[in-house]
Amino acid sequence: GNSVTQMEGPVTLSEEAFLTINCTYTATGYPSLFWYVQYPGEGLQLLLKATKADDKGSNKGFEATYRKETTSFHLEKGSVQVSDSAVYFCALSDRDSGTYKYIFGTGTRLKVLA
Amino acid sequence: NAGVTQTPKFRILKIGQSMTLQCTQDMNHNYMYWYRQDPGMGLKLIYYSVGAGITDKGEVPNGYNVSRSTTEDFPLRLELAAPSQTSVYFCASSTRDPPRKNIQYFGAGTRLSVL
Repeated sequence: GNSVTQMEGPVTLSEEAFLTINCTYTATGYPSLFWYVQYPGEGLQLLLKATKADDKGSNKGFEATYRKETTSFHLEKGSVQVSDSAVYFCALSDRDSGTYKYIFGTGTRLKVLA
Repeated sequence: NAGVTQTPKFRILKIGQSMTLQCTQDMNHNYMYWYRQDPGMGLKLIYYSVGAGITDKGEVPNGYNVSRSTTEDFPLRLELAAPSQTSVYFCASSTRDPPRKNIQYFGAGTRLSVL
């Protein structure tokens, strides 16, 4: 079955450091891939997405590239800020199912220190 | 700009009690979902719906029921609450129409404790 594996956290960085959060997936067919962010006490919100191989999603300085050959969708940011402290979830959606269900990774908590 | 609204935000139940978690969306989305979020476990799909009158089980449906009588509302029913149902519950919705096709929009969550 489909699955998503994320690197375990927490990840603690100093402000302006480079961020990478690894995400790999297993899927039949051609899934869409997503990164969602959850700030304390809130629901998840979409950060970026990619719908086909070699697509790059980007938003708020974050980027991730859909790599079919390595089944990966790693999240990167060149210079993190304290306000980026949150939990980040990688997810996939099997477009062929017709239900648009997601499978989520376990989440990676990021803490950025001033 | 309400989006997905969940009520209540917090609830404490005693073992064996029942309750309904409410979810409503004002975006006219076809698809709606209920998840539970346990610490360190990510989100697990409980039930989902592809339209009014149509519901189906997700990964962890035991102990829960849902209904979808309207496009807007998707309540989640807990019967005979158990401590294992202590969790944070999220409702989400999505559409099959571009440009927001397949993007899920989440409510703020309901934090439930069963004691």
